[in-house]
Amino acid sequence: ETGVTQSPTHLIKTRGQQVTLRCSSQSGHNTVSWYQQALGQGPQFIFQYYREEENGRGNFPPRFSGLQFPNYSSELNVNALELDDSALYLCASSLQRPANSYEQYFGPGTRLTVT
Amino acid sequence: KQEVTQIPAALSVPEGENLVLNCSFTDSAIYNLQWFRQDPGKGLTSLLLIQSSQREQTSGRLNASLDKSSGRSTLYIAASQPGDSATYLCAVRAGGNTPLVFGKGTRLSVIA
Repeated sequence: ETGVTQSPTHLIKTRGQQVTLRCSSQSGHNTVSWYQQALGQGPQFIFQYYREEENGRGNFPPRFSGLQFPNYSSELNVNALELDDSALYLCASSLQRPANSYEQYFGPGTRLTVT
Repeated sequence: KQEVTQIPAALSVPEGENLVLNCSFTDSAIYNLQWFRQDPGKGLTSLLLIQSSQREQTSGRLNASLDKSSGRSTLYIAASQPGDSATYLCAVRAGGNTPLVFGKGTRLSVIA
């Protein structure tokens, strides 16, 4: 069983640029959630995708957008990068089934630095 | 709005000591609660998941308890080892298909 993978591992961007982060969900999982974790903080929910549709969003502006593909992999896009977007971005996959407790499995994260 | 608090923020203990990490949440209407481990700059590893109907879960040297009515959970680590050094995060879920709400974590150092 393949776990959750994310790419790239690290990324350095300049303020105002755009970035795309990628996530491959665990085999058989149909839901992907994205979280932002600033240094010294707990992860904050950005949004969730289920069967290619966004079905939940946290308190993040529209310049944070995403996609989920038919194979359940996902992308997080951030436009007009700001210094405060520097963080560890975590992807989590899950299976939308009560029997699985909706347990989320996290990837290793992408460290984004905005200069 | 659900808020999760973890105390202490940091803890340093000698190897072999038993320890307790605390987690509290403001809204007791939760679906389940998870404890995670995070090594520096890395992703999250799930340690234990407790359903709202359960009182505790155990895995090896780890035991997590849940008192939903008082909005509290504890993670007990027995016979701590230097390899246990990491940040431990507590997170709650309000419903089945809802996102996790995290605390800021407790940074644990186990000194050999």
